[in-house]
Amino acid sequence: DVVLTQTPPTLLATIGQSVSISCRSSQSLLHSNGNTYLNWLLQRTGQSPQPLIYLVSKLESGVPNRFSGSGSGTDFTLKISGVEAEDLGVYYCMQFTHYPWTFGGGTKLELK
Amino acid sequence: EIQLQESGPGLVKPSQSLSLTCSVTGYTITSGYDWSWIRKFPGNKMEWMGYISYSGSTNYNPSLKSRISITRDTSKNQFFLQLNSVTTEDTATYYCARWDRYYWYFDFWGPGTMVTVSS
Repeated sequence: DVVLTQTPPTLLATIGQSVSISCRSSQSLLHSNGNTYLNWLLQRTGQSPQPLIYLVSKLESGVPNRFSGSGSGTDFTLKISGVEAEDLGVYYCMQFTHYPWTFGGGTKLELK
Repeated sequence: EIQLQESGPGLVKPSQSLSLTCSVTGYTITSGYDWSWIRKFPGNKMEWMGYISYSGSTNYNPSLKSRISITRDTSKNQFFLQLNSVTTEDTATYYCARWDRYYWYFDFWGPGTMVTVSS
């Protein structure tokens, strides 16, 4: 199975601070069709996960543009440019390139 | 808007079967998306369990081997999860979600239902 390693496991931030989360894959996530199926999700406390980014860098409808995704192959990054209180929760990367689909271990974003 | 809602018993005894229902409103499950079950264990670990496609075909996580079955009732617009021979390690929050077949991601999730396996 593809292992997705997220760092850091916990991220302490102040409101307005810019932060980044890394997701590294044990295999390239470039599909034979030329797409890279790496997504980011946010799970706020007490809620179900919600999609933020798909295809590495495409923002889900309604997601603020302070969120951005980048990367290729095995290394990917989620950046939040100016953390807001509503951004707190656990962030996951997830891949759909290889079966079985797998998740990263999660990064918990908390206020400093 | 599409909504998904999980339902089922919150407590299951070891060695028995876990059965959950995902009721979908606002979209017909035979119309072109695929429908998955995902679970979150105590802590942060998440696991994709399997899906049933809009046409009725299924695909399962090999880690669940022959214990899992996902079926559907198109007349009720529902799909189901059955997990056999459960152990305490199957204690988790179970989510159903819709998979976008064009962009390959989960675009809608249910609120989740917690299942505890305990005698």
